[in-house]
Amino acid sequence: KAGVTQTPRYLIKTRGQQVTLSCSPISGHRSVSWYQQTPGQGLQFLFEYFSETQRNKGNFPGRFSGRQFSNSRSEMNVSTLELGDSALYLCASSTRGLAGAGDTQYFGPGTRLTVL
Amino acid sequence: GDSVTQMEGPVTLSEEAFLTINCTYTATGYPSLFWYVQYPGEGLQLLLKATKADDKGSNKGFEATYRKETTSFHLEKGSVQVSDSAVYFCALSRADTGRRALTFGSGTRLQVQP
Repeated sequence: KAGVTQTPRYLIKTRGQQVTLSCSPISGHRSVSWYQQTPGQGLQFLFEYFSETQRNKGNFPGRFSGRQFSNSRSEMNVSTLELGDSALYLCASSTRGLAGAGDTQYFGPGTRLTVL
Repeated sequence: GDSVTQMEGPVTLSEEAFLTINCTYTATGYPSLFWYVQYPGEGLQLLLKATKADDKGSNKGFEATYRKETTSFHLEKGSVQVSDSAVYFCALSRADTGRRALTFGSGTRLQVQP
């Protein structure tokens, strides 16, 4: 079974621009979560989508948004880029199993975003 | 809120040495616990998990036991290899509350020398 795929793998943008990142989950997985990884803040949760609806949201400004399509693929958008948005953006998928069942998230390789 | 604390790195070991990376957590209820590993330039790979107290997760020679009484989930391996050099993250999730976001520790870099 193919793993989580993310495109593009690398991206360079300038301040003020916007960017869209894409994530395709493992086949059969309907939940997609996004995380930001930086040297200073570590791994932080952005949001989770399930059945095309945002289910959970982290503590990020409204410039960060996402959506999920009917085939479970997800996109993340960042508008008005700032230098501090430079990071590795990781997508993870899961089956969103029953509570207490150890719902496991599987990660993609990430998109490395550099903001100049 | 929930939190995960890991020992500071880097941890430098010689090949075939015993490895312990400490992880403790703060959470009410019944979190699930995970160890992920990140190799240079890659995403996170699930190493092992445990979903309830006294469960032991194991994979590729790594083990960790969910200790509710000490709120710990320490990672161990009996004999490390150079190929184990990576950053290791301890994490928890609260699927029991419906909040499935992973809360991560700060990561521990392991360097294994030949």
